[in-house]
Amino acid sequence: GAGVSQSPRYKVAKRGQDVALRCDPISGHVSLFWYQQALGQGPEFLTYFQNEAQLDKSGLPSDRFFAERPEGSVSTLKIQRTQQEDSAVYLCASSLVGGGFSNQPQHFGDGTRLSIL
Amino acid sequence: EDKVVQSPLSLVVHEGDTVTLNCSYEVTNFRSLLWYKQEKKAPTFLFMLTSSGIEKKSGRLSSILDKKELFSILNITATQTGDSAVYLCAVEGSAGNMLTFGGGTRLMVKP
Repeated sequence: GAGVSQSPRYKVAKRGQDVALRCDPISGHVSLFWYQQALGQGPEFLTYFQNEAQLDKSGLPSDRFFAERPEGSVSTLKIQRTQQEDSAVYLCASSLVGGGFSNQPQHFGDGTRLSIL
Repeated sequence: EDKVVQSPLSLVVHEGDTVTLNCSYEVTNFRSLLWYKQEKKAPTFLFMLTSSGIEKKSGRLSSILDKKELFSILNITATQTGDSAVYLCAVEGSAGNMLTFGGGTRLMVKP
């Protein structure tokens, strides 16, 4: 597609429910990133994929957070047993190449605004 | 741990004014510094800077990097109401391909 596409745009869930957020990167982009953005703050890194391989998950805040990209294109971020502190905008980004000094910027989707009641 | 600090936190100007936004950073094995504009949706890519002293320019926006003093500035001349947004600075270092972002500068341009 023309840009990074994320769905849903908004998600409201009750505390304790599981949620799944989808990211469809720009066609042909090797690298895919997930970030969490709290209100009034800059995005914070969660996890990184190069094709289907999850190369870095150091930013995932707990084992309730899980991400996958099984075929190297679409990715899903799953949050189990949601808590109120999970409320944030979840941004997905993709870039053309992966690894090393790529000199390629990350391009972001519009994000999913998650609200936990 | 990589760190990015932006200043000012917020800024209110009138149309036609020139603004300068600041970004200082600490990063292990610097690779690049990026500027993004964020309105209500996706951060939109503005500039990627890798070399000191080389100005990047796009219309009324320009940016420059100083790798010795570890900072970058983003200039916007002849501001317009459409420039109102949060401007984010981010660095890419050796921690991986991820970006470390500053907290952003919120710019409001009044008619």
